[in-house]
Amino acid sequence: DTGVSQDPRHKITKRGQNVTFRCDPISEHNRLYWYRQTLGQGPEFLTYFQNEAQLEKSRLLSDRFSAERPKGSFSTLEIQRTEQGDSAMYLCASSPGGGNYGYTFGSGTRLTVV
Amino acid sequence: RKEVEQDPGPFNVPEGATVAFNCTYSNSASQSFFWYRQDCRKEPKLLMSVYSSGNEDGRFTAQLNRASQYISLLIRDSKLSDSATYLCVVNVFNTDKLIFGTGTRLQVFP
Repeated sequence: DTGVSQDPRHKITKRGQNVTFRCDPISEHNRLYWYRQTLGQGPEFLTYFQNEAQLEKSRLLSDRFSAERPKGSFSTLEIQRTEQGDSAMYLCASSPGGGNYGYTFGSGTRLTVV
Repeated sequence: RKEVEQDPGPFNVPEGATVAFNCTYSNSASQSFFWYRQDCRKEPKLLMSVYSSGNEDGRFTAQLNRASQYISLLIRDSKLSDSATYLCVVNVFNTDKLIFGTGTRLQVFP
């Protein structure tokens, strides 16, 4: 499968726990993006990387959120001390260039905080 | 004002109907435009890019009006399989990120 892979597909966690999600982009894509989507809304931008450099972070990304792409390949998104408001679908996407090219999305990780 | 605005719908249309969705964007520096399709509980998938001259892909036609900051999507001869949410998407000049609208839900019935 040469698409964007995300793991896990679903995660249920108790409030206050830490969670980490992984994204493997299409191998030749140097841009990697994280978005969050809640019911009835479009995807909201969180952050993006060009190779290993994190170039932009949304103000939606509080101090509890951190993302890395250490070798310019896969990326991880960690949420510390989860809150019920963090429940959402976390989508990863990759692109061979900038936004002009459009993105290819992974299937997402659905997080439920109980 | 939201950066990308769409009528959330739902639009309920019979098979074979023609349906049009509209979208407005607030940043005149926007450079690239797309329509994405999202099925229930699935990821968004690129439907088509939108070019200044307008473009067509089978039953789907996209139009862009830069002066009015307005994008449209026309679906002819609707199929049951067209039932989905259609997301209007804009890229702002000199940024790499895409801004998504909230989506317009389409339901095609027999």
